[in-house]
Amino acid sequence: DAGVTQSPTHLIKTRGQQVTLRCSPISGHKSVSWYQQVLGQGPQFIFQYYEKEERGRGNFPDRFSARQFPNYSSELNVNALLLGDSALYLCASSFGTGWAGELFFGEGSRLTVL
Amino acid sequence: AQKITQTQPGMFVQEKEAVTLDCTYDTSDPSYGLFWYKQPSSGEMIFLIYQGSYDQQNATEGRYSLNFQKARKSANLVISASQLGDSAMYFCAMREGSGAGSYQLTFGKGTKLSVIP
Repeated sequence: DAGVTQSPTHLIKTRGQQVTLRCSPISGHKSVSWYQQVLGQGPQFIFQYYEKEERGRGNFPDRFSARQFPNYSSELNVNALLLGDSALYLCASSFGTGWAGELFFGEGSRLTVL
Repeated sequence: AQKITQTQPGMFVQEKEAVTLDCTYDTSDPSYGLFWYKQPSSGEMIFLIYQGSYDQQNATEGRYSLNFQKARKSANLVISASQLGDSAMYFCAMREGSGAGSYQLTFGKGTKLSVIP
């Protein structure tokens, strides 16, 4: 069975540009979460989506947005990129939103902003 | 206050020995879950073990066990019989049972474990 898949795996952008990252959850999983992991830190929560609705949002500016599609895949968009947006962006899926449920992570999209 | 604290930036352990990675947490929610994840250089976060706040016994999964001391708010990961493949970053994380913390994992800064042959 396929795990959580993310694309692209690596990308380089310049300041001010926009980026879209994509995530396909494990088959049957209806919840997708996004995390940002800067070098040397633990992941930080950005968004959770369940059944195409935003269920939670972390402390990130409005330049960050996301959506979930009917097939439960998701996109994370970041506008007006800053150098500080350089990070590994991790997508995680779970069957539901239960707080005890295990999150399954993808390998991430590594974004470099020059 | 930080919700998850991992005080060991790096640890070394001899192959086949046991190692304990420390984690303390802070929450006022009576319901919460504690998780440990392993992150190899590939970047993927691999789930290792889970402990619920109401669980009476310490969680175990193969060579991994979680030393849960609720009164001290600590959730240390014990890896027995270390293997070279255990070299990676290890993250402790918490998910609270209600409020904003219920739909997110809050991670610590991680501990880099190096297993020496």
